[in-house]
Amino acid sequence: SQQGEEDPQALSIQEGENATMNCSYKTSINNLQWYRQNSGRGLVHLILIRSNEREKHSGRLRVTLDTSKKSSSLLITASRAADTASYFCATDGGGSYIPTFGRGTSLIVHP
Amino acid sequence: NAGVTQTPKFQVLKTGQSMTLQCAQDMNHNSMYWYRQDPGMGLRLIYYSASEGTTDKGEVPNGYNVSRLNKREFSLRLESAAPSQTSVYFCASSEYRGTDTQYFGPGTRLTVL
Repeated sequence: SQQGEEDPQALSIQEGENATMNCSYKTSINNLQWYRQNSGRGLVHLILIRSNEREKHSGRLRVTLDTSKKSSSLLITASRAADTASYFCATDGGGSYIPTFGRGTSLIVHP
Repeated sequence: NAGVTQTPKFQVLKTGQSMTLQCAQDMNHNSMYWYRQDPGMGLRLIYYSASEGTTDKGEVPNGYNVSRLNKREFSLRLESAAPSQTSVYFCASSEYRGTDTQYFGPGTRLTVL
């Protein structure tokens, strides 16, 4: 069963706008990861945030984690057409150290 | 470094045929994983190998077998393919089990007729 669930399922924005996607999960975690998947390709790791961290940045990416609400958000600032991809959160938890993936958010950035 | 490689890239099978999907990594990682990805379902773990010589079932192991041939290679075998196994299969590796970044291969697109 999937631990994390992304929201929204699909997001369409204009280049230059910010994109925010959320991940909710059910059981306590050790860490949460975000991955990107371009069409027809494998997943690429973006960022990992540990359960004792609240916010992390990497370039134009900002990830927050609220363990009390069991949720995380991924913010992509000043989006580009090249950011068009599906974004997945992966969480460990429920007694397993193996990350489980949500169904993903499909982001389309229009030039 | 090639990272994680998978062969073949595409495969079409008839129901009942068998095949082996190959995966290799050159990052000296201890843990390797097989996932399947279906539309609207995200990635689901089939089997994983926490370290050389060990394998464990994931969420959807039925109809599959795996072999951790050595530290580099982790293969996935379909003994008698079924249409329900039509999917995209991804191999991944990480330095250690679980809490480390996973590195994914490019995937194998399998169709079972």
